[in-house]
Amino acid sequence: GENVEQHPSTLSVQEGDSAVIKCTYSDSASNYFPWYKQELGKRPQLIIDIRSNVGEKKDQRIAVTLNKTAKHFSLHITETQPEDSAVYFCAASLTSNTGKLIFGQGTTLQVKP
Amino acid sequence: SQTIHQWPATLVQPVGSPLSLECTVEGTSNPNLYWYRQAAGRGLQLLFYSVGIGQISSEVPQNLSASRPQDRQFILSSKKLLLSDSGFYLCAWSVVGGNTEAFFGQGTRLTVV
Repeated sequence: GENVEQHPSTLSVQEGDSAVIKCTYSDSASNYFPWYKQELGKRPQLIIDIRSNVGEKKDQRIAVTLNKTAKHFSLHITETQPEDSAVYFCAASLTSNTGKLIFGQGTTLQVKP
Repeated sequence: SQTIHQWPATLVQPVGSPLSLECTVEGTSNPNLYWYRQAAGRGLQLLFYSVGIGQISSEVPQNLSASRPQDRQFILSSKKLLLSDSGFYLCAWSVVGGNTEAFFGQGTRLTVV
């Protein structure tokens, strides 16, 4: 089945710097790649997603890039702020009607003021 | 609008006791439903998913079971809890057809003592 690897497991940046989180997936049939943000003790919430028919998507300070050939995708956060501190998860969804998402292990991002 | 309810929010159970966690979705029909578990400091592990009433797929062999007695109700159960069952359990739903955003419930913090 699908396997998603996420790196790094922890990331510490200064406020205003950029943060990059990378994920690789194993199944070339996967075609949907969401990113979730989870604050401490709360539910994961979608922040951005990308489908396999595009290579990049932006939403204000966050962007996601996808390289289908290499089977990896990345989350980019620019001008980081302390409120960006959270755990970020990437996921991949196989082409099927189940919609099941296979998640990476998560990255704990700390933005220092 | 669609909402997802999950309860209880926290639960402390002795080893060997039974478990029943319930999740209901409102405002949509025939959703895909999922149970995920998040161990401390770990990623989101898919436990079960369902594409319809009575249809349950298990992702990981374990001490748990799931049932979907009604279209928008998903139940996670165990006959006898183990210490290793402790974790943060999250119910989620997505639109049927797959490859779309999953919406998570608030989660249940289960501690087995």
